[in-house]
This record gives sequence, structure tokens and C-alpha cells, in this order.
Amino acid sequence: NAGVTQTPKFQVLKTGQSMTLQCAQDMNHNSMYWYRQDPGMGLRLIYYSASEGTTDKGEVPNGYNVSRLNKREFSLRLESAAPSQTSVYFCASSEGGRGATDTQYFGPGTRLTVL
Amino acid sequence: GNSVTQMEGPVTLSEEAFLTINCTYTATGYPSLFWYVQYPGEGLQLLLKATKADDKGSNKGFEATYRKETTSFHLEKGSVQVSDSAVYFCALSPNTNAGKSTFGDGTTLTVKP
Repeated sequence: NAGVTQTPKFQVLKTGQSMTLQCAQDMNHNSMYWYRQDPGMGLRLIYYSASEGTTDKGEVPNGYNVSRLNKREFSLRLESAAPSQTSVYFCASSEGGRGATDTQYFGPGTRLTVL
Repeated sequence: GNSVTQMEGPVTLSEEAFLTINCTYTATGYPSLFWYVQYPGEGLQLLLKATKADDKGSNKGFEATYRKETTSFHLEKGSVQVSDSAVYFCALSPNTNAGKSTFGDGTTLTVKP
């Protein structure tokens, strides 16, 4: 099992460009998440999907959109990148559902720089 | 809402020293509690967890006990190694359908030989 995979690993964008970060999991998990990690600020939740077909805003959703394409895949789109979106982005998944202890499994991250 | 507060870092120890990283939480109901570890350049990975009061999670020599009376889940290791150098995150999961976890800000540990 590959676990959680993310592409790309690194990306440099110019201000105003758009891009989509891809995430896939092969653990048949119901829930998926996108976080950003900035120095000294821990992990901040951007969007999450509790189950296939649903998405909800997290703590810092502005400037992002998401798509839960199917149970395996959850993409994050930056429509018009800004320097403030320079960060490391992590995708995660968890079993989800009532009664689950909800350990989260993280991908390796995408390091995004916006110039 | 739920919150997690963990000891501020960075923490620097010599090899074989005793480690404690404090973590306290605020939550309604009976959450599960976790410690995750992040090695340089990698994503977070589960270190240990506890799902109910008085449970002790343990892995790789690390331990933490779920203390409901003090709302704490402190991480301990008796003898740290250089390879334990990493960032440690305390987290809670509310065990509801929403399943959203709340993470602390992370504590950076550096172990010197």
C-alpha cells in the first residue's frame, strides 16, 4: 500500500497563476483533509471532506477550492496564487465515521513557493 | 470549541536524557488523544494514541497517559537518542462523524550526542 500520495512534491508559481494539488489514498478511508504548515504556526486546516460527496471549510479556506473526485482522491486548487500562500501543504486521510478513533495518515507534502 | 496546548519549544537535550513534552486539551465529550511526529522533510506520522481515560499509549520507548482529571496527555521518554530529533504534535479527535482533529502547534526536539 502506498498510503497517501501527493503530487507534485515541489512547485514554484508566479502571483496570479493557478494550480491544482493532487492527493490520493489507497486505504479506503472515508475522510480526507488538506492542511497548510507555516513556520511557528503548526498545522492549519484548509478544507476537509468527511465522506465522499461532501466538503467543508476549515480554519483558513480563503483562496482555495477543493474537489472530492471519488473516495480515493481529494484535490486542492489555488485559482489565483498569492505570496501569502507560500507554504507546505499536507493531505491526510482517516477512517472517519462514528466510533472511529480517527488516526490521520499524512502524505509527504507539497512545498509551494509563490513569487 | 476544542483546543490543544503543548509545551513551547524548542527543546534541546543531550543523548540519554529524560524527555517530557507537556500537552493539555479542552474538549467536550470523550476525545481520543494522539501524539504525532514529523521528521525533517516528511509528513506527520502517528507515534502513539489513547482512546479513553487512563489508557497509556506507547511506541518506540515513548509513553503518554490519558488523564481526564487534569485534561493532559504528556509525552515522555526515559532516554532520548539523536534519532528522536523531530517535531512532536499533540492532537485530539472528537470521535464524532465529523472526525476533525485539533492539533497543537508542535514542539521541536533536538537531541545532541
